[in-house]
Amino acid sequence: QSVLTQPPSVSGAPGQTVTISCTGSSSNIGAGYDVHWYQQLPGTAPKYLIYANSNRPSGVPDRFSGSKSGTSASLAITGLQAEDEADYYCQSYDSSLSGSAFGGGTKLTVL
Amino acid sequence: QVQLVQSGAEVKKPGASVKVSCKVSAYTLTEVSIHWVRQVPGKGLEWMGGFNPDDGETIYAQRFQGRVTLTEDTSTDTAYMELSSLRSEDTAMYYCATAPSVVIPVSMVYFDLWGQGTLVTVSS
Repeated sequence: QSVLTQPPSVSGAPGQTVTISCTGSSSNIGAGYDVHWYQQLPGTAPKYLIYANSNRPSGVPDRFSGSKSGTSASLAITGLQAEDEADYYCQSYDSSLSGSAFGGGTKLTVL
Repeated sequence: QVQLVQSGAEVKKPGASVKVSCKVSAYTLTEVSIHWVRQVPGKGLEWMGGFNPDDGETIYAQRFQGRVTLTEDTSTDTAYMELSSLRSEDTAMYYCATAPSVVIPVSMVYFDLWGQGTLVTVSS
């Protein structure tokens, strides 16, 4: 059981917007630690998508955006495309674990 | 451009140990901060441990403490993850990954580059 909770699945039609939540607690997100997001396409290694809550690495489309508030963070994907179908993971530091932690992952299905 | 190339798949018996390697190219090991993450088939990502610049030591996830050892060979720019007392639940893909800087605190670390993964299967 991860200290960061994500919905197991979300879905949306092409062109729509979906949001994936990452809920933590006072020992991780709520303590002010940054949240990072990864995309994992089927059969491949994860790729970083958003770092430090809302920053996009070069090459990541601006359709992807991140935000953080209180003990939660969110990843928003606008203008959904078929190639966005993947698993998405949030990650943050947890002081009670004294280490990094990942959310359980969310499978995005593009209808 | 840094690249991480991991060793090939392994099959081990319960109780044995496995050592997975991760070779860094284009940079030296002293210029990168290596961490290890595993993924049980069909499940999520689990951070196992990595370099802690706060004290220059290795930090381990609590659930793997005592069973995992992370080492580095700077002469070959290769990092290693050794997991002992293997059980069937350790069957997983093991990834090495780099943090964006060797000085970034563990509390701020994220993983900007990943190896291709090494599948470790534990079966009698």
